[in-house]
Amino acid sequence: GQQVMQIPQYQHVQEGEDFTTYCNSSTTLSNIQWYKQRPGGHPVFLIQLVKSGEVKKQKRLTFQFGEAKKNSSLHITATQTTDVGTYFCAGPSGGSNYKLTFGKGTLLTVNP
Amino acid sequence: GAGVSQSPRYKVAKRGQDVALRCDPISGHVSLFWYQQALGQGPEFLTYFQNEAQLDKSGLPSDRFFAERPEGSVSTLKIQRTQQEDSAVYLCASRRTGFNEKLFFGSGTQLSVL
Repeated sequence: GQQVMQIPQYQHVQEGEDFTTYCNSSTTLSNIQWYKQRPGGHPVFLIQLVKSGEVKKQKRLTFQFGEAKKNSSLHITATQTTDVGTYFCAGPSGGSNYKLTFGKGTLLTVNP
Repeated sequence: GAGVSQSPRYKVAKRGQDVALRCDPISGHVSLFWYQQALGQGPEFLTYFQNEAQLDKSGLPSDRFFAERPEGSVSTLKIQRTQQEDSAVYLCASRRTGFNEKLFFGSGTQLSVL
């Protein structure tokens, strides 16, 4: 079945450093979504990318969708302690337009 | 309420007990999902409802797991004869329509089976 792989699994940075997490799918995706889960919390939607090569920005966060629509990345510039959490990508599963398959996530910790 | 509500927040069960987990989605949301999240892992799909119809239950681990949404709003996930491997956080999520929109997650029910 369709898999969504994320790397790295963990990332520890000093406050102010940049951070990037990568998401790769075994199949072409119609769209990809990113979620953030704070420690002890639940996933919260960040953004959805639909178009090939799409780039979207939210303040210090930059999201990209690959040209082949099989990979995506999230880049955070100048991390802050409020960025701590696990970042998940999620894509429609196996041709379905309703089911989302989540990656295992990247846990970001920030040293103040 | 404004968000997805789940209860109980925590549930401790003895192995072999039955449990029922409740999800109250955002009013008017057509789609409802149940996910299972083990510690340090991403949410794993369990089942999907569109209104009252259970359209996909392919992720349910065994026939001990049963979910329903009889009136197209509140949903219950029931686990019979709980086992230690059932220990996880069970997340409910809803979505306004059936397709390609963001999910709104509840706070989850943390189930511990002793």
